[in-house]
Amino acid sequence: DVKVTQSSRYLVKRTGEKVFLECVQDMDHENMFWYRQDPGLGLRLIYFSYDVKMKEKGDIPEGYSVSREKKERFSLILESASTNQTSMYLCASSNRWSYTFGSGTRLTVV
Amino acid sequence: QQQVKQSPQSLIVQKGGISIINCAYENTAFDYFPWYQQFPGKGPALLIAIRPDVSEKKEGRFTISFNKSAKQFSLHIMDSQPGDSATYFCAASWDAGKSTFGDGTTLTVKP
Repeated sequence: DVKVTQSSRYLVKRTGEKVFLECVQDMDHENMFWYRQDPGLGLRLIYFSYDVKMKEKGDIPEGYSVSREKKERFSLILESASTNQTSMYLCASSNRWSYTFGSGTRLTVV
Repeated sequence: QQQVKQSPQSLIVQKGGISIINCAYENTAFDYFPWYQQFPGKGPALLIAIRPDVSEKKEGRFTISFNKSAKQFSLHIMDSQPGDSATYFCAASWDAGKSTFGDGTTLTVKP
């Protein structure tokens, strides 16, 4: 069963901490994405990557960075966590057509 | 800029009824139109998808209707069941794997 695995389901961090969210896919997909999902705001794209060591900003990249050192792994980094980054974070990978999403990481910043 | 507009935002249907969710797009470069289903606490999962050269696709109780000239597509859930209660996202794909998503519709099917 192909999958996208996010390392943590729930995470609680303090304001100002550096936070790493990890995502691994086993489908050999070129494309990987990070979204955040908030009530009433749908899925908002933070960053995406079309290849190893390649990254592009999405719609809301401020306060975030990413790393893709290997094809199967795409990491989202919150440089200095703030309370407005409390959210559900979804990682996805895609072939030419459709996305496969992870189960999400619910991050709370206190 | 909202590239895919989805409606309604929420929908309540009685068990056995038909649920209909609509999406509209502007960009004619889109070449694949998937729908995703998301249950609470889970990530969205691909439900059904259609290409623009087809007007309808059916998988079990789920049907996509596609109107290329109107740039609209819709999801129909026949004989809706309480287990169908979820959030549904339409999407449009282009350019080697990029997708843009609608804002989602929360469906509640009452027993």
